[in-house]
Amino acid sequence: EAQVTQNPRYLITVTGKKLTVTCSQNMNHEYMSWYRQDPGLGLRQIYYSMNVEVTDKGDVPEGYKVSRKEKRNFPLILESPSPNQTSLYFCASSLSVASPLHFGNGTRLTVT
Amino acid sequence: GQQLNQSPQSMFIQEGEDVSMNCTSSSIFNTWLWYKQDPGEGPVLLIALYKAGELTSNGRLTAQFGITRKDSFLNISASIPSDVGIYFCAGQLVFQGAQKLVFGQGTRLTINP
Repeated sequence: EAQVTQNPRYLITVTGKKLTVTCSQNMNHEYMSWYRQDPGLGLRQIYYSMNVEVTDKGDVPEGYKVSRKEKRNFPLILESPSPNQTSLYFCASSLSVASPLHFGNGTRLTVT
Repeated sequence: GQQLNQSPQSMFIQEGEDVSMNCTSSSIFNTWLWYKQDPGEGPVLLIALYKAGELTSNGRLTAQFGITRKDSFLNISASIPSDVGIYFCAGQLVFQGAQKLVFGQGTRLTINP
């Protein structure tokens, strides 16, 4: 089944403890992206990647890192999480930069 | 950042009624997308519109790409309980090889059986 898979689905952590949220797609998509969703603010783009080894900042990149060493994987790294990064995170991918995005099921992160 | 104006923010309707929601922007887009998000899930693509004036249907859903490229609407006919959820519009622009996707704030649809 074609899908975008994120792990974990739920994560509770403490301030400053490094974490990684994994994202994998099995559709051979070139374009991948991370979003966060917050009440009243909608979906905001964190980082995106147009292909392997090509990443760039979205609208809210501060406090996040990404890597794209392989086409199928696009992990989101929080080196030193803070409470304002408590949010619902979505990974998404598309065949190309001009194609519609397909979203994963989300990771709900709580930073205390 | 840039946002789309999506309305209404919420709707409370009776099962069987038709639903209409729309998005407007001050900017033009190459593509308009409509997504539905169920609780605890990621947004699921419903309809993609690629051409100004395009009218596209997906079952009971119909969406149109505005002639000015700055707006889109989504209609749902004869609503059923599984239509409950949050609907998002998104405008997509490809500029200098990069994708810009801007989302509306969502329309929360509630259906009374």
